[in-house]
Amino acid sequence: QQQVKQSPQSLIVQKGGISIINCAYENTAFDYFPWYQQFPGKGPALLIAIRPDVSEKKEGRFTISFNKSAKQFSLHIMDSQPGDSATYFCAATSTISSGSARQLTFGSGTQLTVLP
Amino acid sequence: NAGVTQTPKFQVLKTGQSMTLQCAQDMNHEYMSWYRQDPGMGLRLIHYSVGAGITDQGEVPNGYNVSRSTTEDFPLRLLSAAPSQTSVYFCASSQRGGYSYNEQFFGPGTRLTVL
Repeated sequence: QQQVKQSPQSLIVQKGGISIINCAYENTAFDYFPWYQQFPGKGPALLIAIRPDVSEKKEGRFTISFNKSAKQFSLHIMDSQPGDSATYFCAATSTISSGSARQLTFGSGTQLTVLP
Repeated sequence: NAGVTQTPKFQVLKTGQSMTLQCAQDMNHEYMSWYRQDPGMGLRLIHYSVGAGITDQGEVPNGYNVSRSTTEDFPLRLLSAAPSQTSVYFCASSQRGGYSYNEQFFGPGTRLTVL
């Protein structure tokens, strides 16, 4: 059972367009929401993250929008570039029941292709 | 800093064989973890460790063993490989505690095929 649901599975955008990836969660114990970017043959790398007491966070062309009441959050990539072509994972963090560590739960990923 | 390193990059096993995937980090991170990545499934946590000598199970631990004798190393052992363990395996590390946890640094991955 996927605790963090991500859509779409794949996305094709023209250069200069806006890419939008959506995620939804059920577990109210999640308290931090990072996005990871993964290029082919590489490990994921942290892109941007948001706390649930903030509705929006912007870093350059990347913006997270967060709706706590709807338990949804999304990544917007403005002025998308071919170099943004990668797989994007949303994630959510919670404290593991033993209380000694925190756990990342990942969405299923979105493969973004930005056409030149 | 090399960051998180993993060996080997690729491995092919026959069903029933055992092997160890190596992971090392040079950032003095307390927290280390192993994930597997399968198409359409995202990354799923196999095992994690909050420090030397302390390990615990994640979401999909069956068929895997871990140990953490030093801060730097966190090997993952496949006891008797099965085709269902064909996957890409990622090791990650981070500082423990607070929001700094959330930046997990991932290694380049090991692509494992079990025939």
